[in-house]
Amino acid sequence: QVQLQESGPGLVKSSETLSLTCTISGDSISSNYWSWIRQPPGKGLEWLGYIYYSGSTKYNPSLKSRVTISIDTSKNQFSLKLSSVTAADTAVYFCARLGEYSNSWYGIRAFDIWGQGTMVTVSS
Amino acid sequence: DIQMTQSPSSLSASVGDRVTITCRASQSISSYLIWYQQKPGEVPKLLIYLASSLQSGVPSRFSGSGFGTDFTLTINSLQPEDFATYYCQQSYSTPYTFGQGTKLEI
Repeated sequence: QVQLQESGPGLVKSSETLSLTCTISGDSISSNYWSWIRQPPGKGLEWLGYIYYSGSTKYNPSLKSRVTISIDTSKNQFSLKLSSVTAADTAVYFCARLGEYSNSWYGIRAFDIWGQGTMVTVSS
Repeated sequence: DIQMTQSPSSLSASVGDRVTITCRASQSISSYLIWYQQKPGEVPKLLIYLASSLQSGVPSRFSGSGFGTDFTLTINSLQPEDFATYYCQQSYSTPYTFGQGTKLEI
């Protein structure tokens, strides 16, 4: 059974860097793409970026280069850093697996396994 | 970025009803559309991928359709456990984007 678990500080001061780690169990980090998604309280979902085991990354341009996702294959973990945080970055942060699915015509990646989420509050 | 717009934003229904939620993309996304269900305090759950393919373990009362820019999620014979918020997401291009959600209430 694949499980993801986020860890990191629940409180970050404004202008500092938010750092979270996602630990994967039941699956190899080398087998899929891995992603971070966040959800502000009472609001919708925002994709932050993903990483492949090779280290290849893709980020959401809306974060204006504040986001960095890295990987540690030896620990089966990947991490998120978000710099220069403000109150607008207060959210539940989820790590998720981008699993691969297909039908007779197309292939797609979807967020199929999620961590429980961790609430990060940015304080002034 | 591809904008995803869901309607309605909220919906009241009763057990046994049939409901339909619509998702519209700001440009064609072929069949690269995914639906999730999120219950309060829980993580999103993958329901449907490629617009109409049911994820393993999801009840057959859930179905999806559409292609291009217009998609629908239909739930037949609503059950008490179906009351939740539903999100669509496009996987056609990055940045991946979600609809704003549709809250299905009793």
